[in-house]
Amino acid sequence: GENVEQHPSTLSVQEGDSAVIKCTYSDSASNYFPWYKQELGKRPQLIIDIRSNVGEKKDQRIAVTLNKTAKHFSLHITETQPEDSAVYFCAVNTGGGNKLTFGTGTQLKVEL
Amino acid sequence: ETGVTQTPRHLVMGMTNKKSLKCEQHLGHNAMYWYKQSAKKPLELMFVYNFKEQTENNSVPSRFSPECPNSSHLFLHLHTLQPEDSALYLCASSQDRNPYEQYFGPGTRLTVT
Repeated sequence: GENVEQHPSTLSVQEGDSAVIKCTYSDSASNYFPWYKQELGKRPQLIIDIRSNVGEKKDQRIAVTLNKTAKHFSLHITETQPEDSAVYFCAVNTGGGNKLTFGTGTQLKVEL
Repeated sequence: ETGVTQTPRHLVMGMTNKKSLKCEQHLGHNAMYWYKQSAKKPLELMFVYNFKEQTENNSVPSRFSPECPNSSHLFLHLHTLQPEDSALYLCASSQDRNPYEQYFGPGTRLTVT
């Protein structure tokens, strides 16, 4: 089955710095790569996603890059703010359908 | 309420009880999902329904029984659960075509005593 690895498991940055979280996957049929943010006690929320026909997508301070050949994709957050503190999950659609396999999550802490 | 709703938000049940979790989506989606989220573990997909038909059962024990009467409603029937089943159970919905943007409900925090 699909294997999704996410690193790092915890990440601490100073406010204003950039944060990068990386995920690798194994299923070459995967073609949809979303990122979710989950604040403590709340539901996971989709923050950005990318399809396999593009290499990069940006939405304000958040960007995702995809290297389909190497089977890895990354979340980039610039000018981090305290409200960015949360757990971030990557996901991959196994077999190219609507079944998502999630990474293990990254606890991001933005310190003042 | 818009989006994806779940009831109850919290549930405590004994191992011999029978209870049901309910999920409703108001987004016009045609795919619905159940996930289990345990502490320090990734989200685990349990079931997928597309157009009311179950298309995925991720080796879930039979003490969890899903039901999808229509594209807007999804239930998870629970019976003879174990303490290790205590977790946050999340429902999600999406369209059945790429991009498969899944929107989650607030979850039911389940404690089995």
